[in-house]
Amino acid sequence: DQQVKQNSPSLSVQEGRISILNCDYTNSMFDYFLWYKKYPAEGPTFLISISSIKDKNEDGRFTVFLNKSAKHLSLHIVPSQPGDSAVYFCAVNGGAQKLVFGQGTRLTINP
Amino acid sequence: DAGVIQSPRHEVTEMGQEVTLRCKPISGHNSLFWYRQTMMRGLELLIYFNNNVPIDDSGMPEDRFSAKMPNASFSTLKIQPSEPRDSAVYFCASSLGSFQETQYFGPGTRLLVL
Repeated sequence: DQQVKQNSPSLSVQEGRISILNCDYTNSMFDYFLWYKKYPAEGPTFLISISSIKDKNEDGRFTVFLNKSAKHLSLHIVPSQPGDSAVYFCAVNGGAQKLVFGQGTRLTINP
Repeated sequence: DAGVIQSPRHEVTEMGQEVTLRCKPISGHNSLFWYRQTMMRGLELLIYFNNNVPIDDSGMPEDRFSAKMPNASFSTLKIQPSEPRDSAVYFCASSLGSFQETQYFGPGTRLLVL
């Protein structure tokens, strides 16, 4: 059973527009959420995180929103740039230091 | 800083052979993680160490897999004997070791078992 789900395997967005990536989780006890970005032939790199005491966290062009009642997490990228083309993983802290990852969404930014 | 270093980057072996993957964490980091990425299961945690001690190995698929961390700057993940279904990308990551500390990933080892 998947504790973290990213239902969209891929997403294509025009350069300059907003990219919205979504993530759902099953356990309401999760209290720390992260997004990682991965380029081909590289390891994932940390992008942004949010604690369950907040509903929004912003870092430059990247904003993460948390809806605890819906057990839903989203990542907004505004404006989208070609260098944002990558696979994005949502992750939750599943206890201690264990991260549980979603399957990933491949984002393609079209010029 | 060199980041997390993994070797080899690519490994092709035959079924039944022993495979050893190596990882050097970022200096000063106290926690080390081994992950596996496959198309079917995505990115999953196999085992993690804190201060060289294995803390949680519940993700290790079976007895054919073993991991060691003999010192703070080196860890190995061994598969013996290897099987085709072990083909995957194996990532090592390290962190400062506290809750909510960022995990920094290495570039991964792409393993193909024929």
